Amino acid sequence: QSALTQPRSLSGSPGQSVTISCTGTTSDVGRYNFVSWYQHHPGKVPKLLIFEVYKRPSGVPDRFSGSKSDNTASLTISGLQAEDEADYYCCSYAGTYTPYLFGTGTEVTVL
Amino acid sequence: EVQLLQSGAEVKKPGESLKISCEGSGYRFSGYWLGWVRQRPGKGLEWMAIISPSGSDTRYSPSFEGQVTISVDESLSTAFLQWRSLQASDSALYYCVRRLAVTASPIDFWGHGTLVTVSS
Repeated sequence: QSALTQPRSLSGSPGQSVTISCTGTTSDVGRYNFVSWYQHHPGKVPKLLIFEVYKRPSGVPDRFSGSKSDNTASLTISGLQAEDEADYYCCSYAGTYTPYLFGTGTEVTVL
Repeated sequence: EVQLLQSGAEVKKPGESLKISCEGSGYRFSGYWLGWVRQRPGKGLEWMAIISPSGSDTRYSPSFEGQVTISVDESLSTAFLQWRSLQASDSALYYCVRRLAVTASPIDFWGHGTLVTVSS
């Protein structure tokens, strides 16, 4: 299975919103509501932002929201802040024998 | 406090074997699977393998099946990732990860990574 497709990079000014897409297939994103998103600041440990498409772990600001339509999941960051500058990865369940399929990653720059 | 304590950085030559480790603490070990995620320099995250706490169940990404072996020692609360013959392309940062022992649970915690460098 190929990695899920994400835009390589996105940018926005402080206060704006950015939406990162994550495109898969009918075997993964389109089939299961088990899409998660991770924020990764280079040199640090990835952090779970969203799970099961739209759910936020405790402590994650509600500026981060997730959604899904057909084979594409999305992460929206509202009210962009300087500390949101990081790499973002989606990840989908793709069945018992492929529980994790990561996206290609998106670098978000805050202008 | 939940911790996934990974073994230290390694420098190896092509063809050598290697086993890296990840000790879980601060949580009920039997309630979580442990796995490994690779990140090559300048590249994205790649899920490699995952194992149940007892070791009775394993899953491998097709990209890594046959290339690495995941194992666990429940008595030590430790998971391992092993190579029989390293290649330069195995040079990467390897994250130990945890997920609840429930089907389709997300990875909810990451270790700090073990850097593996393979060079002649």
